[in-house]
Amino acid sequence: NAGVMQNPRHLVRRRGQEARLRCSPMKGHSHVYWYRQLPEEGLKFMVYLQKENIIDESGMPKERFSAEFPKEGPSILRIQQVVRGDSAAYFCASSPGTGGKDTQYFGPGTRLTVL
Amino acid sequence: AQTVTQSQPEMSVQEAETVTLSCTYDTSENNYYLFWYKQPPSRQMILVIRQEAYKQQNATENRFSVNFQKAAKSFSLKISDSQLGDTAMYFCAFMKQGYGNKLVFGAGTILRVKS
Repeated sequence: NAGVMQNPRHLVRRRGQEARLRCSPMKGHSHVYWYRQLPEEGLKFMVYLQKENIIDESGMPKERFSAEFPKEGPSILRIQQVVRGDSAAYFCASSPGTGGKDTQYFGPGTRLTVL
Repeated sequence: AQTVTQSQPEMSVQEAETVTLSCTYDTSENNYYLFWYKQPPSRQMILVIRQEAYKQQNATENRFSVNFQKAAKSFSLKISDSQLGDTAMYFCAFMKQGYGNKLVFGAGTILRVKS
């Protein structure tokens, strides 16, 4: 059973460009979470999605950031007009979401560098 | 809101010895889960151990065990027979019970295992 997949692993963007981060959950998992890890800090929750629905986006910055989890395909975290402060590691996690099995399993992360 | 505190920014231990990492949390919830995740230099987030708050028995996974004190809101991780591969950042995390709930992480403890 393949784990959570994220791509790209490393992404370099110039200020003002767009960044698209992809996450494919583990097989059988219908819940996806995005977390951000700034340098020297712990992970902070951004958004929680199920297929075609955003359930909780309380940790998402109000501007420039958006997320989706379409019926087909991976979940996408999109950052428009990136700034240097967006440089961080972005982690995706997935969970089955049913049967009381709430443990979240993480992907390897995408390291975004904004020049 | 829940908070998780890890009061030890860095720890070191000799190979084959035992080390304990501390974690305290604050919540008004009665039903929740606690986790320890490991982040080695590769930056991958790896689940180490999970504890359900309703269980009095402390969780154990091979060389890893926890001391869960619900009344004191304390959740420490004990690593026995430390190995060089245990060198990593360790994060304590809290999650309310019920699917779709976010993880709240502590700031982390860097553990260095010395030969």
